[in-house]
Amino acid sequence: KAGVTQTPRYLIKTRGQQVTLSCSPISGHRSVSWYQQTPGQGLQFLFEYFSETQRNKGNFPGRFSGRQFSNSRSEMNVSTLELGDSALYLCASSQSSGGADTDTQYFGPGTRLTVL
Amino acid sequence: AQSVAQPEDQVNVAEGNPLTVKCTYSVSGNPYLFWYVQYPNRGLQFLLKYITGDNLVKGSYGFEAEFNKSQTSFHLKKPSALVSDSALYFCAVRDIQGGKLIFGQGTELSVKP
Repeated sequence: KAGVTQTPRYLIKTRGQQVTLSCSPISGHRSVSWYQQTPGQGLQFLFEYFSETQRNKGNFPGRFSGRQFSNSRSEMNVSTLELGDSALYLCASSQSSGGADTDTQYFGPGTRLTVL
Repeated sequence: AQSVAQPEDQVNVAEGNPLTVKCTYSVSGNPYLFWYVQYPNRGLQFLLKYITGDNLVKGSYGFEAEFNKSQTSFHLKKPSALVSDSALYFCAVRDIQGGKLIFGQGTELSVKP
């Protein structure tokens, strides 16, 4: 099976712009989660989608949003970009979603966003 | 609240020697623990997980991890390190209130020839 794919791999934007990142999960996986990775804060959870519904949300401002389509592909959007949004954005997919979920999350290669 | 800690920012090992990357956890209820590895400019790659059962979990690329409930630890181990094992290693626990992964800060493993 193909792994999790993310596009684009690299992005350069300026402050105030908005950006959309895309994630295609492993075939058959219905849950997609997004994480932000920065040197200072490490890996932080953004949100999780399952069957086109946001199941969980991390502690990020409303400028960060996402959605999931019927084919399980997901997008995240960041509006009014700030310098601090520069990060590696990782998408992960798993077969199911739930509170005591033992399924493994498989990660994509990430999108490196640089905000100038 | 669930959390994991990786007490060492960096671990240095000579090739051929055994390696250990440490992780301790704090959870309410049963812990679901994971190890991931990240190579430069890459995403996270799954190594192994502990859900229940044997305390010694075997994973990819010769890695294993030992779950110790009394010490609340889940250390990653490999009997003989390779230079190619040099990477950033993350321990994570599954949050039972929502299913997200909560990561440690990461440990940089450096294996020298």
